[in-house]
Amino acid sequence: QKEVEQNSGPLSVPEGAIASLNCTYSDRGSQSFFWYRQYSGKSPELIMSIYSNGDKEDGRFTAQLNKASQYVSLLIRDSQPSDSATYLCAVRSNFGNEKLTFGTGTRLTIIP
Amino acid sequence: DVKVTQSSRYLVKRTGEKVFLECVQDMDHENMFWYRQDPGLGLRLIYFSYDVKMKEKGDIPEGYSVSREKKERFSLILESASTNQTSMYLCASSPPRRQTLGQYFGPGTRLTVT
Repeated sequence: QKEVEQNSGPLSVPEGAIASLNCTYSDRGSQSFFWYRQYSGKSPELIMSIYSNGDKEDGRFTAQLNKASQYVSLLIRDSQPSDSATYLCAVRSNFGNEKLTFGTGTRLTIIP
Repeated sequence: DVKVTQSSRYLVKRTGEKVFLECVQDMDHENMFWYRQDPGLGLRLIYFSYDVKMKEKGDIPEGYSVSREKKERFSLILESASTNQTSMYLCASSPPRRQTLGQYFGPGTRLTVT
């Protein structure tokens, strides 16, 4: 079982709709969770972080965390063509060092 | 804003050459990381460093070494490049855990070994 799993997609969403990206993780000791956006040919860009159960909103982005079920999700409201990218979920354990474990990413395409 | 820079965007080397990839960050971050990213395999950690002259192996350290002589600079060394090291190499840095922030990536170096 992979430590951090994401549906690879591609996920196609009409412009203006809500895009929902999901991520599950296996380490129950994980405490910090991050979402990165990566455009083709570019490096990952940190867009959201979440540490507590519940929702965290930042503009059109909402991160949701459920530690009991070991999943974290990212919602993108009013999707724009510029949101088309690969989204990486990353998890950091509470123990040990500063390492992040990344999922392989979900490719999102926003259809105009 | 955090700025992480890498010495080259594109690099072509021959098999057997010694390759140096340089990474510099300007935010006084303690932690620095080297990853490689390959299609279908995602980001894989090669080495990381949590202090000057300190290093720890990541998930795929074979064939690589690192050097951190100054806090802002972290170098990745391919001792004898091989074709299976053709990849996108990404450097990242992060502040100490107490700031609970993620890692910030440089623009990447696309290395081709022929």
